[in-house]
Amino acid sequence: EPEVTQTPSHQVTQMGQEVILRCVPISNHLYFYWYRQILGQKVEFLVSFYNNEISEKSEIFDDQFSVERPDGSNFTLKIRSTKLEDSAMYFCASSPAGAAYEQYFGPGTRLTVT
Amino acid sequence: GIQVEQSPPDLILQEGANSTLRCNFSDSVNNLQWFHQNPWGQLINLFYIPSGTKQNGRLSATTVATERYSLLYISSSQTTDSGVYFCAVEGSETSGSRLTFGEGTQLTVNP
Repeated sequence: EPEVTQTPSHQVTQMGQEVILRCVPISNHLYFYWYRQILGQKVEFLVSFYNNEISEKSEIFDDQFSVERPDGSNFTLKIRSTKLEDSAMYFCASSPAGAAYEQYFGPGTRLTVT
Repeated sequence: GIQVEQSPPDLILQEGANSTLRCNFSDSVNNLQWFHQNPWGQLINLFYIPSGTKQNGRLSATTVATERYSLLYISSSQTTDSGVYFCAVEGSETSGSRLTFGEGTQLTVNP
């Protein structure tokens, strides 16, 4: 069964450094998402991406964040200058289309900012 | 935006017991999904169920969209069922397809 994959599974970085989290969505899916979960809290939407542009973003997704689909398979989330409060689990998801379709989640990348 | 409330927040069971988890939402939805977050933090898709009833082994789910709630049933619980169960919805009144998650139900199944 096709699945969403994410790398790395765990990343430790120092405050102020740039990080890139990588995702490979399911191959025939068209919509891609990033969510995050701060330890002990609920999962929060960050951004959705379709047709090589952001289709929706939350108030969390500020100028420090960016997303890109650099090739036909990868989908990345970049955090330019990490802060302590960026420490969280980051989930990538994909769906065949937009509204009303099931979203398939990857296993997550645990980001620790020290 | 749409509000999602899950109950109970915590649930402790003995192995073999049955349980019902509830998810209430404030508006009509296009999508509703149930997830199990395992001890490693992974979100496991359980059900995609914007309406109706589905069953998968010991788990089943029912969504009554007109009354804005969904129920997740776990029968004959096992210790491996422990973890956090999340309900997530996509509101039909929003222009995008973001999922809004509830706070989750922390389930502990004791041997």
